Amino acid sequence: DADVTQTPRNRITKTGKRIMLECSQTKGHDRMYWYRQDPGLGLRLIYYSFDVKDINKGEISDGYSVSRQAQAKFSLSLESAIPNQTALYFCATSDAGSSYNEQFFGPGTRLTVL
Amino acid sequence: GQSLEQPSEVTAVEGAIVQINCTYQTSGFYGLSWYQQHDGGAPTFLSYNALDGLEETGRFSSFLSRSDSYGYLLLQELQMKDSASYFCAGNTGGFKTIFGAGTRLFVKA
Repeated sequence: DADVTQTPRNRITKTGKRIMLECSQTKGHDRMYWYRQDPGLGLRLIYYSFDVKDINKGEISDGYSVSRQAQAKFSLSLESAIPNQTALYFCATSDAGSSYNEQFFGPGTRLTVL
Repeated sequence: GQSLEQPSEVTAVEGAIVQINCTYQTSGFYGLSWYQQHDGGAPTFLSYNALDGLEETGRFSSFLSRSDSYGYLLLQELQMKDSASYFCAGNTGGFKTIFGAGTRLFVKA
């Protein structure tokens, strides 16, 4: 079984709709992250959380919100989706005890906003 | 600001050696990581340099010079399966990680 899972894997939605992307992990890691990937731009950090009570904005948080429901679950919401949010979204985790912050990525969610 | 620069594409021949460079400007820099991503897949961790010098892991090596704000990933004995995108990533204060835009490596037979 995969250690970091994301649902859905693919989603097509319309402008203005509310969308939630979910991430679950069985690695027991405290740290969780949401990134978006666009061609030629690499991975950009949206939000990150170091425990259930800790939520931090990343580089590009505008238009997004997150919820850390439990140590193992971290959800990303688009309150009102717009076409330029079309991208590949990755969830990642890392171990607080890791000095080099190796991150483990989920398989990604491909989101298309029409 | 925080940014990492790397070439967009590199092409090399199977069996050869290739070096992917990364220069960075980050505040509160704690180390440089490298990730590999195959088409349609998720990034996977390759290596990390916290201190200056060379770290070797099998066919892959990574180098860091903090005084030059520069690092590289060295891939030896290239194989077709090494065709992928490679990202350098800077670990900054608060354990945030900032990624470069990625280098697409094409390995030719």
